[in-house]
Order: sequence, then structure tokens, then C-alpha cells
Amino acid sequence: QVQLRESGPGLVKPSQTLSLTCTVSGGSISSDGYYWSWIRQPAGKGLEWIGRIYSSGSTNYNPSLQSRVTIGVDTSKNQFSLNLSSVTVADTAVYYCARDRADSSARGFDYWGQGTLVTVSS
Amino acid sequence: QLVLTQSPSASASLGASVKLTCTLSSGHSTYDIAWHQQQPEKGPRYLMKVNNDGSHSKGDGIPDRFSGSSSGAERYLTISSLQSEDEAEYYCQTWATGIRVFGGGTKLTVL
Repeated sequence: QVQLRESGPGLVKPSQTLSLTCTVSGGSISSDGYYWSWIRQPAGKGLEWIGRIYSSGSTNYNPSLQSRVTIGVDTSKNQFSLNLSSVTVADTAVYYCARDRADSSARGFDYWGQGTLVTVSS
Repeated sequence: QLVLTQSPSASASLGASVKLTCTLSSGHSTYDIAWHQQQPEKGPRYLMKVNNDGSHSKGDGIPDRFSGSSSGAERYLTISSLQSEDEAEYYCQTWATGIRVFGGGTKLTVL
């Protein structure tokens, strides 16, 4: 059973960079056909896809966040990461990592982490 | 633009059935979607993929009470024999090349 767990600072100052890591267990992050995504949810609001990465390093980003987002992968640690720069209070949210598949075989995000709250405040 | 539309709320009685709707935007009526459940104070859980042809494939451990179907640009999630733990937010989600999109969610209240 694949499990994902988010980790990182719970508090980030405005204008700084939010950095999170997702650790994957129960399966290899390098498995064929799987992508690894970041999703966020402000309090009381819906889900927003941030972007995704393949084990090769290939990425796709939400156009609304693309200028501030970088997603990386470390296959040796079975981890992938999120960096969101120039944060504001509007970036305060619960951040989730999740497993996805290649477009040709997509079926939705079939495994999710439990989420981690990141608050942007001075 | 690829957009998913969901009613903000729905309600049904304990033991009854409910059908939630997710509508694909114009020009995208043949897209497959997924349904996710988010119980209060919890992270989302994958329920199933619903295909354009009306077939569906469920995630691990999802009870038979949950099923999916399709008609035109609408994709449905039906929950039968409603239980108290089914009270949750339900999100539909779809995809295109290099992009993922969520609907706004439907809050289901079990009366």
C-alpha cells in the first residue's frame, strides 16, 4: 500500500519561500507511469492543483502559480519537493501530496498524504 | 477552458440514496473524471474513476454502496444506503494534457 507523508515548516514569513517535502513509502517513486503532485486547500475552500513531477524530472504546473512554483524529485530518497516563492497570506493552506498517473492512463489522484498546514504570517 | 461544476450542497436521509452531479464544460463532454471524498477535518480519499461511457473503477476498499455513471457532459456519484460517515465534501476532478482540474465540491449532509 502506497503511503505519502508531507513535511516542512508550518510557518513561513511573507515574501519568503515555502518549502515542503513528500516522502513516499510502500512503492518506488520511479515506478513507470506514475506522476507525483502537490495540491493545496485554503481553510474552508476547495482543492487547487499546484503541479506535478515525473521521476525523470519532467514537470507540469498550474498556470496560475507557474511563475512561483518549483517541484523537484530525489529518487534516491523516494521523495519529491515543493518550493513556492514570494508567498503571501493567500498561500496559507493545507498542502497535500498525491500520486497521479501519466495522461494516457490517468484515473485521478489515487493516493493522498494526510496534509500539512502552512501558515504565512509575519 | 476545462471547468467542472458541482452544486455546493446536497442532503439526503440516513439509509436513503443520493446522486451527486459533476458537469464538464462545453467542448469537454467526453472527458473522464474522478471522485474524491473529504470527511470533516480529514484529507481527501480517492473513490473512483468514472469514464465517459458510464463505466467506473473504484479505489481500494471503497464499498459497493458507491457507484458512478455518466450521461452527456454529466458525471454522477451515487451513494446508496447512506450512513452517517458519508457526510462529507465530495470533489470531482479531471485532467487534460499536463493539467489537473477540481470541481468546487459538494457538501453532503446526511439527515
